[in-house]
Amino acid sequence: AQSVAQPEDQVNVAEGNPLTVKCTYSVSGNPYLFWYVQYPNRGLQFLLKYITGDNLVKGSYGFEAEFNKSQTSFHLKKPSALVSDSALYFCAVRPMEYGNKLVFGAGTILRVKS
Amino acid sequence: DVKVTQSSRYLVKRTGEKVFLECVQDMDHENMFWYRQDPGLGLRLIYFSYDVKMKEKGDIPEGYSVSREKKERFSLILESASTNQTSMYLCASKVTGLNTEAFFGQGTRLTVV
Repeated sequence: AQSVAQPEDQVNVAEGNPLTVKCTYSVSGNPYLFWYVQYPNRGLQFLLKYITGDNLVKGSYGFEAEFNKSQTSFHLKKPSALVSDSALYFCAVRPMEYGNKLVFGAGTILRVKS
Repeated sequence: DVKVTQSSRYLVKRTGEKVFLECVQDMDHENMFWYRQDPGLGLRLIYFSYDVKMKEKGDIPEGYSVSREKKERFSLILESASTNQTSMYLCASKVTGLNTEAFFGQGTRLTVV
């Protein structure tokens, strides 16, 4: 079965420190990978995606993600966290045989404290 | 910018009512989706549509139906609302293509009492 795991329900980090939000996936073939962010009472906003090529992908708001095929991971990172980064983050995968459908992880709450 | 608009931010309905959730996108996207979001479960796909009058079941279609009469509008219908359908509902749209991202509406928080 196709699945996405976000092993941490919540990540806490101090403002200015680097942050990592973890994502691993289990799909057949080579998937397309996405990160979305959801601020309170809002819809999801697209952050970045991995399609092919360079394993380090840069996205919106200073975020980046590293694709690791051998570990089937796609961790979200930011060198210096801001309080305004506090939100709910979703990893999603689109297996090639799934057409236009996305499989989402359960989400990780990021709390950045000043 | 792509805009996906859901007709209501908050809805309260009674058990057994027929409920309509409306979604409109303004970017001529072929594909539209309805998800429900529940804590700890992430987003689960209810239905999606890849063209006018075309629809496919997602992972949790039971108790729901959809309608897509015009390209820009995708409606989710709860035929007889039940308390276990209390949730956040999110609409999304995207152009055709495996490597394209989806754009989401702001969500409708539905409470069935």
